[in-house]
Amino acid sequence: QKEVEQDPGPLSVPEGAIVSLNCTYSNSAFQYFMWYRQYSRKGPELLMYTYSSGNKEDGRFTAQVDKSSKYISLFIRDSQPSDSATYLCAMSGEGSGNTPLVFGKGTRLSVIA
Amino acid sequence: DTGVSQNPRHKITKRGQNVTFRCDPISEHNRLYWYRQTLGQGPEFLTYFQNEAQLEKSRLLSDRFSAERPKGSFSTLEIQRTEQGDSAMYLCASSSRQGNTDTQYFGPGTRLTVL
Repeated sequence: QKEVEQDPGPLSVPEGAIVSLNCTYSNSAFQYFMWYRQYSRKGPELLMYTYSSGNKEDGRFTAQVDKSSKYISLFIRDSQPSDSATYLCAMSGEGSGNTPLVFGKGTRLSVIA
Repeated sequence: DTGVSQNPRHKITKRGQNVTFRCDPISEHNRLYWYRQTLGQGPEFLTYFQNEAQLEKSRLLSDRFSAERPKGSFSTLEIQRTEQGDSAMYLCASSSRQGNTDTQYFGPGTRLTVL
């Protein structure tokens, strides 16, 4: 079992839909949780950063962390064609936060106009 | 542009040749990471520097791979005697610890193709 599991999709939704992206993990030491967006042949771009459990909202994006279930989610409201990309969850452990990131495989999202 | 930069963006080489990639981090960031990403996979950690010190290396980093960060500024990643399995996107990220956060910002990557 990999440390971080993420359904690779592809996921196709109509414009305006609410998108739910998820990852599960096995390492209880993870405390820092991130979502990155990656367009084709580009580097990952940080979208959301969450420490420990709880919710965080930024515009159309909401990140949720449930450490008891080892489950994290990213919700995208009012999805736009420009949101079409691969979404990578990433996490790291230890209080110092200086450990390397462990990534999921990424979920490929297409938002159809 | 004050983001992470990487050069070259693309590199095509023949098997057995040596290649070197460069990463210029965000100027105030003291931490620099190298990752490798293959098609359909998330990035995988290779190695990490804090200033000029190489603090951690993944078991993915075979003896043919070497990384340096002289003077704690830019970093280079060299692959000797390239193999077809080395074909991948090589990503560099930099970060600077602020409180409990250590957010990593990625460059555009160097895409390596080994023929």
